[in-house]
Amino acid sequence: EADIYQTPRYLVIGTGKKITLECSQTMGHDKMYWYQQDPGMELHLIHYSYGVNSTEKGDLSSESTVSRIRTEHFPLTLESARPSHTSQYLCASSRTGRTEAFFGQGTRLTVV
Amino acid sequence: AQKVTQAQTEISVVEKEDVTLDCVYETRDTTYYLFWYKQPPSGELVFLIRRNSFDEQNEISGRYSWNFQKSTSSFNFTITASQVVDSAVYFCALISNRDDKIIFGKGTRLHILP
Repeated sequence: EADIYQTPRYLVIGTGKKITLECSQTMGHDKMYWYQQDPGMELHLIHYSYGVNSTEKGDLSSESTVSRIRTEHFPLTLESARPSHTSQYLCASSRTGRTEAFFGQGTRLTVV
Repeated sequence: AQKVTQAQTEISVVEKEDVTLDCVYETRDTTYYLFWYKQPPSGELVFLIRRNSFDEQNEISGRYSWNFQKSTSSFNFTITASQVVDSAVYFCALISNRDDKIIFGKGTRLHILP
């Protein structure tokens, strides 16, 4: 049973606003990820972290930033939202090693 | 380079039919892991199975079965006697010792018609 939570589930926001998407997990996992999912289903890794104070950019360039101050928390921030940021954002976590990741329910972001 | 290919973008079958979702992977590593995930309309990705590269035994879990063949670099997923609740997007994924990131295929959208 996965214990990873994302808030909000849905967000509609105006252009230029700053937003933070929250992601928390209670499994004590060291690795955490953010994926962006386009309407065509494909998942793109935009950020990941190996542990506290570790953040790396993923394969898809993103204007968002992340932080990892606590093991359980991996928020994603957009300083100035634009319509091109409209997408579904999925957070995941996994144990150290080559193991499966567990996903949150996602945040569906719409920038108008 | 590592890659996961799911050639079937979308499949529709009538309820109770069997359906196989194809997954072909590429990796230079000898040690790697393969996964299948299900994404129902609610949006969350649900982990279904993990296989490591040293275990080619097929796996069966209820109506679900997985066929792993290293010779063809394939890890196919079969749903037997499909049900409407099986309608979802299914992703195949790969992680290897050389790379610490999970690589996903583009997904297959499965429609089970009543």
